[in-house]
Amino acid sequence: EAGVAQSPRYKIIEKRQSVAFWCNPISGHATLYWYQQILGQGPKLLIQFQNNGVVDDSQLPKDRFSAERLKGVDSTLKIQPAKLEDSAVYLCASSLGTGRQETQYFGPGTRLLVL
Amino acid sequence: KNQVEQSPQSLIILEGKNCTLQCNYTVSPFSNLRWYKQDTGRGPVSLTIMTFSENTKSNGRYTATLDADTKQSSLHITASQLSDSASYICVVTFYNAGNMLTFGGGTRLMVKP
Repeated sequence: EAGVAQSPRYKIIEKRQSVAFWCNPISGHATLYWYQQILGQGPKLLIQFQNNGVVDDSQLPKDRFSAERLKGVDSTLKIQPAKLEDSAVYLCASSLGTGRQETQYFGPGTRLLVL
Repeated sequence: KNQVEQSPQSLIILEGKNCTLQCNYTVSPFSNLRWYKQDTGRGPVSLTIMTFSENTKSNGRYTATLDADTKQSSLHITASQLSDSASYICVVTFYNAGNMLTFGGGTRLMVKP
């Protein structure tokens, strides 16, 4: 079974530039998550989609971050403009549904460095 | 506020030795508690999941325990291998936070030959 795919794996940009990350979840998984993981910390949820609808985006800095999942499959996360503190690994995860016992499967992440 | 705290932050052990990682959480009730393993440069991978009614769960050389009364969980690794070098993250799903996962900061384990 193919896992969660993310690209690019690494990205280096200067502050105030824009960047976009892509995620392809496991086939058939209705729920998709974007997390931000700062070095040495656990992941922090940014946004959760159920199919193409947003379930939770309470921790998404909406002034600069945006995400979409137009067809309920792939998703993109965009940062515009980037700040130094956005340097982190951005993890995408998917699960079959939203049940409390559902296991989330994580992609390898995109490591972002903002200079 | 729901919080998950892990200790130690980092740990170095020799290959073949056992070790135990700790996880404490505040606020309850919770729905389930998971342990994830995160290799460097990779996403977390689920090791175990326990509901509030379970007090132990094994996955090969990994054994997780849960004490809902003291709000503590531990992950015991037996006969460590070099491939066990990774970060181990405790994750709690709290009832009062919907299905949102609350992640601990992780314990970074290094197994040396």
